[in-house]
Amino acid sequence: NAGVMQNPRHLVRRRGQEARLRCSPMKGHSHVYWYRQLPEEGLKFMVYLQKENIIDESGMPKERFSAEFPKEGPSILRIQQVVRGDSAAYFCASSERRNNEQFFGPGTRLTVL
Amino acid sequence: EDKVVQSPLSLVVHEGDTVTLNCSYEVTNFRSLLWYKQEKKAPTFLFMLTSSGIEKKSGRLSSILDKKELFSILNITATQTGDSAVYLCAVTNTGNQFYFGTGTSLTVIP
Repeated sequence: NAGVMQNPRHLVRRRGQEARLRCSPMKGHSHVYWYRQLPEEGLKFMVYLQKENIIDESGMPKERFSAEFPKEGPSILRIQQVVRGDSAAYFCASSERRNNEQFFGPGTRLTVL
Repeated sequence: EDKVVQSPLSLVVHEGDTVTLNCSYEVTNFRSLLWYKQEKKAPTFLFMLTSSGIEKKSGRLSSILDKKELFSILNITATQTGDSAVYLCAVTNTGNQFYFGTGTSLTVIP
């Protein structure tokens, strides 16, 4: 049973481009969480999704960021018109049920030039 | 294969008890080991350890790293119900990749 998969592992974008980060949860997990880790800081919650539904997006910036978790396929975190401040590691975690333990993926390191 | 293993998976203690959480790792090109406390949303950063044998302390929490034996412990003394949470251990390598353990779920009962 593969763990949580994230791709790409490293992503470089120029200012103004779009970044798409993918997360495939563990088999049997229908809950996905996205976190952002800025340098020298802890993980910051962004959004919590269940299949086809956004449950809690209170940690998502209001502009340029969106997330989805379609019925088929991975969860996508999309950042439009990236800026240098978006450079960070983005982690995805999945769980089988709400409030169950979360399993973390390896993260995607986004660098904005 | 790089991995981080935490034990125990879950723990139930009474208020006032002292607990020790374990994190062992096998990660190539080790850089640092981090402890987080996760309650409801995002894990809260607790400690970052890079050097062996130097204890980091914050109130009732303390942690130490052993780079020879490849493990770290997180101690919580005089536990309180507010300490109930999942404690995550993560290890980074020199390529800034993160490897998370599955966490230890701590429940402190009054």
